[in-house]
Amino acid sequence: QSALTQPASVSGSPGQSITISCTGTSSDVGGYNYVSWYQQHPGKAPKLMIYEVSHRPSGVSNRFSGSKSDNTASLTISGLQAEDEAAYYCSSYTTSSTLVVFGGGTKLTVL
Amino acid sequence: QVQLVESGGGVVLPGRSLRLSCAASGFTFSNSAMHWVRQAPGKGLEWMAVISYDGTNKFYTDSLKGRFTISRDNSKNTLYLQMNSLRAEDTAVYYCASATTVTTLDYWGQGTLVTVSS
Repeated sequence: QSALTQPASVSGSPGQSITISCTGTSSDVGGYNYVSWYQQHPGKAPKLMIYEVSHRPSGVSNRFSGSKSDNTASLTISGLQAEDEAAYYCSSYTTSSTLVVFGGGTKLTVL
Repeated sequence: QVQLVESGGGVVLPGRSLRLSCAASGFTFSNSAMHWVRQAPGKGLEWMAVISYDGTNKFYTDSLKGRFTISRDNSKNTLYLQMNSLRAEDTAVYYCASATTVTTLDYWGQGTLVTVSS
């Protein structure tokens, strides 16, 4: 069982916006601004999409945005495109002995 | 450009050991913390371990403590994962990743598959 909770799947049509949630506790998501989001296409390595809650690395489309409220972080993808179909994982710093925790992942389907 | 290339995976018998390597290039390896993350077939990402830029600090996920050891050789720009007493449930693709801030995994290798089976 993952430390961070994500919905197993979300879907949307091209051009629409979707939001993926990532729920933790005050010991991780809620307590620190060290939430990251990763995109993974089948058979490929994960790719960093958002770091420190809302920052985009160079080269990542501005259609991707991140936010946080209390113990829940969110990834929003606007103007959905077919290439956005992938699995998305959140992660966070945690004060537990492990330092980093991932969510269970969310499969995004573009209809 | 940043490149991380894992090697050392393969098929191994239960109870045996294996050492994975991750060769880094395109960035200042000795300035970056480094992580290992694994992914069992059809499953999600599981964070495993991190080592500080100079190797002095290491953190592990609780389930691995005592069996796996992360290390690095900054003179060779290489990260290692020593895996002992391997079990079937250790079967996974193992990724290394660099981290400019300790908990942000900014670049990932392509992964190496470890299969633990008799």
